[in-house]
Amino acid sequence: GQQLNQSPQSMFIQEGEDVSMNCTSSSIFNTWLWYKQDPGEGPVLLIALYKAGELTSNGRLTAQFGITRKDSFLNISASIPSDVGIYFCAGHALSGAGSYQLTFGKGTKLSVIP
Amino acid sequence: GAGVSQSPSNKVTEKGKDVELRCDPISGHTALYWYRQSLGQGLEFLIYFQGNSAPDKSGLPSDRFSAERTGGSVSTLTIQRTQQEDSAVYLCASSLGGTVNQPQHFGDGTRLSIL
Repeated sequence: GQQLNQSPQSMFIQEGEDVSMNCTSSSIFNTWLWYKQDPGEGPVLLIALYKAGELTSNGRLTAQFGITRKDSFLNISASIPSDVGIYFCAGHALSGAGSYQLTFGKGTKLSVIP
Repeated sequence: GAGVSQSPSNKVTEKGKDVELRCDPISGHTALYWYRQSLGQGLEFLIYFQGNSAPDKSGLPSDRFSAERTGGSVSTLTIQRTQQEDSAVYLCASSLGGTVNQPQHFGDGTRLSIL
């Protein structure tokens, strides 16, 4: 089946630093999404990307849909303590009888040192 | 707010018992998904409902798992004869439709522990 390789697995950064994480796939995805999950809560959508090459920002967050449709990155600028959490990439590919299941990466755990 | 609601938030049960997990999607969302998240892992797709169409059950790990969605709204995920490897967080998501440009919104999950 489809798999997403997300890296790094974890990051420790100083407050104010920029952060970059990425996802790669062996197969093509039609959409890329980035979610953040806090402990005890469900993932919250940060950015959704729908076209190859698309670059989208949401405040201090910027994400891009790779031109090959097999990768995406997420950047966080000027990190703050509330950025702590687990970030997941997810991809959407048409499967089987027309359903749209998401395939998730294993997450990047971000720790911000004040 | 009017987000995806899941219950119970936590469930502890003995191996071999049956469990039922409930999901109440966002009002008006026709698509509903169940995922499983094991410790330190990403989310694993289980099942998808869209309107009145037959569900996509391709992600269910065994025939002990089943799900139904009554009246196109609330869904119940049932696990029969639970095993310890079923311990995980079960997450439900809904979206306005089943197309790729309608993002999935998640509930806070049910944390299931099998003793």
